[in-house]
Amino acid sequence: DGGITQSPKYLFRKEGQNVTLSCEQNLNHDAMYWYRQDPGQGLRLIYYSQIVNDFQKGDIAEGYSVSREKKESFPLTVTSAQKNPTAFYLCASSSNYRVYNSPLHFGNGTRLTVT
Amino acid sequence: GQQLNQSPQSMFIQEGEDVSMNCTSSSIFNTWLWYKQDPGEGPVLLIALYKAGELTSNGRLTAQFGITRKDSFLNISASIPSDVGIYFCAGQMEYGNKLVFGAGTILRVKS
Repeated sequence: DGGITQSPKYLFRKEGQNVTLSCEQNLNHDAMYWYRQDPGQGLRLIYYSQIVNDFQKGDIAEGYSVSREKKESFPLTVTSAQKNPTAFYLCASSSNYRVYNSPLHFGNGTRLTVT
Repeated sequence: GQQLNQSPQSMFIQEGEDVSMNCTSSSIFNTWLWYKQDPGEGPVLLIALYKAGELTSNGRLTAQFGITRKDSFLNISASIPSDVGIYFCAGQMEYGNKLVFGAGTILRVKS
């Protein structure tokens, strides 16, 4: 079955450490996205990638970094510069960034807790 | 950034009742999407709307793209316990696939 796999499901880190969240898709989608979800708020866009070797900042990119070396993979690194990293992180993909009728499909998320 | 106002914030209804929720914006959107999220899971796409005035159904769910392109609503008929979860609206601007999300409507169903 095609889909988006995020790992791990739960992640715990000490403050000051960088941590990388994995996102893999086998849908052959060109575009991939990272969103952050906090209780009582809508999803907020961190970074997105329209195509391999390309990515752009979203609305809340500070303290995060990404890479897109392969079409299938879009890992997110939460750096020590992110002031409030504890959140639920969602990865998504769509067949094409420019085509409006290619809705986003989401993975099942990674819950990051930093203490 | 862009804002979507989603209401109500939460609902606690009796099984069998109909549910209605909506999203409004001061901006025009080219696409409206409705997602449902179960606890600890990612959002799942329920309905996608691409044309102003469009009315689309998916089983017991019906959603409409407002004529002004600034709003959308989602109705759920004859609610059942498995309808519980958080429902999100999302709007897409004319170019590019960056979505703007509402804050979500939490639905609880009493059986």
